[in-house]
Amino acid sequence: DAKTTQPPSMDCAEGRAANLPCNHSTISGNEYVYWYRQIHSQGPQYIIHGLKNNETNEMASLIITEDRKSSTLILPHATLRDTAVYYCIVSGPNTGNQFYFGTGTSLTVIP
Amino acid sequence: DAGVIQSPRHEVTEMGQEVTLRCKPISGHDYLFWYRQTMMRGLELLIYFNNNVPIDDSGMPEDRFSAKMPNASFSNLKIQPSEPRDSAVYFCASSPGQGPNTGELFFGEGSRLTVL
Repeated sequence: DAKTTQPPSMDCAEGRAANLPCNHSTISGNEYVYWYRQIHSQGPQYIIHGLKNNETNEMASLIITEDRKSSTLILPHATLRDTAVYYCIVSGPNTGNQFYFGTGTSLTVIP
Repeated sequence: DAGVIQSPRHEVTEMGQEVTLRCKPISGHDYLFWYRQTMMRGLELLIYFNNNVPIDDSGMPEDRFSAKMPNASFSNLKIQPSEPRDSAVYFCASSPGQGPNTGELFFGEGSRLTVL
């Protein structure tokens, strides 16, 4: 049921920005883009979500393209603790507002 | 708030035994979800409840699986009889509502089940 495509893995140097891409070309007008992450052996954790405007919070920034067919999660200064699997999820009334997790991107932050 | 609490954290059992996994959602959250995570299939939504009522159980793999929510502060997921292919991490999550303003999921730490 996942409607998103993400690269399976990425590396990022500690202190640098991590840019995680996500394709969601079939997104509907009333569906939001959510990002969660899962640190090893823990439950997934909410990061951020948006509809069409760029969003920023204390954890990350979310950049959504104008056509809404793709987005990028930005961790501005990656730390070793950001090593995790990052899930991009599309959710809205069409999917019953449920969250269907795909395989995500495994981000490794390298010292 | 203590967050979503799951028990047991680890369970090892033999094939054919009954397994019961428990979840206490965050107080005031109206929605409760059960997910299963395996290497092969990733995170799968099994069932979810709204105000203690099961809304969608289409993700429950077989009749051996059942879930109940007798009150707002407790849910359990039962597997009877258990099989080795049920080995997975089972996550419980709760949310205050649905939709973009209230639908953020809060996950527990998971229950790791091993069926020998």
